[in-house]
Amino acid sequence: DTEVTQTPKHLVMGMTNKKSLKCEQHMGHRAMYWYKQKAKKPPELMFVYSYEKLSINESVPSRFSPECPNSSLLNLHLHALQPEDSALYLCASSPLGRGATTGELFFGEGSRLTVL
Amino acid sequence: AQSVTQPDIHITVSEGASLELRCNYSYGATPYLFWYVQSPGQGLQLLLKYFSGDTLVQGIKGFEAEFKRSQSSFNLRKPSVHWSDAAEYFCAVGASGGSYIPTFGRGTSLIVHP
Repeated sequence: DTEVTQTPKHLVMGMTNKKSLKCEQHMGHRAMYWYKQKAKKPPELMFVYSYEKLSINESVPSRFSPECPNSSLLNLHLHALQPEDSALYLCASSPLGRGATTGELFFGEGSRLTVL
Repeated sequence: AQSVTQPDIHITVSEGASLELRCNYSYGATPYLFWYVQSPGQGLQLLLKYFSGDTLVQGIKGFEAEFKRSQSSFNLRKPSVHWSDAAEYFCAVGASGGSYIPTFGRGTSLIVHP
């Protein structure tokens, strides 16, 4: 199984809503990532979890709250978002540890978020 | 810190023509280099990667790339482009030691004319 699965594929929410994006992988990867991508732009790193611990937070506003319940799952909790947060949110994973390849990411298809 | 430059924002080719997408990197040591492709509305897919060894690497979908240390380049090539190759292409560089987070270039949009 070489897939990263993201749900939902599309999400429309109001600025007062609370919603979550979910990501799952079963490749045994111990690094998981959230990226935000605007149209015609490269992915922007938001968060990195390594061995289920938050290792990188790229100064993301607190209205985005990541969670890594176990080594296969990654969530992104959304609350009080702004219209400018509308984007494609990509989850990725990669192996870690001795002998692991650095920088090779496996991406999900993304969750297209629209904030009204 | 590493960085990546993709000088071309858009490239337009005719179906069946050859393709070369340019990528230049900046990194003090031997980098890990990648090309990813993103079709509209999709996630990124790894096309090929270079870590060490043979400087000409073969990837999926008939793509290849050549690592040239003297030019700090890792250009992507394909001898004959298909309409389905129309997509956004991202070059990325990963550090060979330390941070495992790749740095992406801004991307090159490939347009294929019939």
